[in-house]
Amino acid sequence: EDQVTQSPEALRLQEGESSSLNCSYTVSGLRGLFWYRQDPGKGPEFLFTLYSAGEEKEKERLKATLTKKESFLHITAPKPEDSATYLCAVQGSAGNMLTFGGGTRLMVKP
Amino acid sequence: GAVVSQHPSWVICKSGTSVKIECRSLDFQATTMFWYRQFPKQSLMLMATSNEGSKATYEQGVEKDKFLINHASLTLSTLTVTSAHPEDSSFYICSAVKSTTQYFGPGTRLTVL
Repeated sequence: EDQVTQSPEALRLQEGESSSLNCSYTVSGLRGLFWYRQDPGKGPEFLFTLYSAGEEKEKERLKATLTKKESFLHITAPKPEDSATYLCAVQGSAGNMLTFGGGTRLMVKP
Repeated sequence: GAVVSQHPSWVICKSGTSVKIECRSLDFQATTMFWYRQFPKQSLMLMATSNEGSKATYEQGVEKDKFLINHASLTLSTLTVTSAHPEDSSFYICSAVKSTTQYFGPGTRLTVL
């Protein structure tokens, strides 16, 4: 059974204070690891897909990395508008289904 | 792009009535769509997988006679909550698959009185 654990559950940062969110996973035949951002009362917004260990992707202040056991979402010099819940999910060998972690709720204070 | 819409964005209904929620992929065709529900401060819980032209596959514990799913075209899937009760109140979110990525709709807030 695929499993995803995200830590921390909640993270408070000051504006400009860089940090990382962790996503640990076990999966049978990783086809992709996905990061989404979810704002309150909205559906998740796609950020990145990582396919193999060593891969990195960047978008503005966000950078996602992948190893064989975990993924990190690095946030550089965050701004208040980066406040959201960040969801990590893995796609294993069973088609297009995703197994989600519990999410990390990020709050960036000005 | 990959845009997914849902309608309505929120609905309030009386106990015992049925509610239909639509999920549309606006700029791509999706053979597969998924339906999730989400409780406050929790992650997404997969309810069912919807494949165009075939019967939906429901997750364990999800009543298929209560949550009717129809995927009649490559751009539209519908979820009907039949005989809704207050415990069905939740945030329902759909996703549509483009390549291997799930793109999510904005969600529908259902409140059953």
